[in-house]
Amino acid sequence: QVQLQESGPGLVKPSQTLSLSCAVSGGSISSGGYYWNWVRQPAGKGLEWIGRLDTSGVTDYNPSLESRVTMSLDTSKNLFSLKLNSVSAADTAVYYCARVIRLFGGNYFDYWGQGTLVTVSS
Amino acid sequence: QSVLTQPPSVSGAPGQTVTISCTGSSSNIGAGYDVHWYQQLPGTAPKLLIHGNTNRPSGVPARFSGSRSGTSASLAITGLQAEDETDYYCQSYDTGLSGYVFGTGTKVTVL
Repeated sequence: QVQLQESGPGLVKPSQTLSLSCAVSGGSISSGGYYWNWVRQPAGKGLEWIGRLDTSGVTDYNPSLESRVTMSLDTSKNLFSLKLNSVSAADTAVYYCARVIRLFGGNYFDYWGQGTLVTVSS
Repeated sequence: QSVLTQPPSVSGAPGQTVTISCTGSSSNIGAGYDVHWYQQLPGTAPKLLIHGNTNRPSGVPARFSGSRSGTSASLAITGLQAEDETDYYCQSYDTGLSGYVFGTGTKVTVL
């Protein structure tokens, strides 16, 4: 059973960088056939895809966040990370890490972390 | 900025059927990309409900079913139960954004 667990500061100051990690257990992050993702959800609002990594470390980002986002893979620790710079209050949200299974015609999210609340405030 | 539109809310009495629509465009659902559905209970991560338009993962009750046609998709809940009262999201891939897109979300209320 694959499990994902987010970790990182719960409070970030405006204009600073939000940094989160997602530890994967029950499977190797280097296994082919998957994308590793970040999704966020402001309180009371919908889900927003932030970006994804493949097992080679190739990234795709949401165009609305692309200029501020960096995602990376650490295969030695079986985890992947998110950095979002120049944050503002609008970036306050629950951040989820999630695995996408890659299938012809459609990729879907099959495993999710429990989510971690990040608040941007001085 | 969701590109998949869902009704904000739907409701029904126990035992009834409710349907949630997910309307996209030619750059996502209409381009042939599959639609997937998630159920999100309060304070928890989304849970996969339907994948590949119509497929239920193991453990998901048969009262949940999905369909897709043209630029839209639907999730039906038949024999509505009190435990079905929560939020539901559709998801697909968009070629214009080169990434995943989620629906705006629908809250199901059991009357």
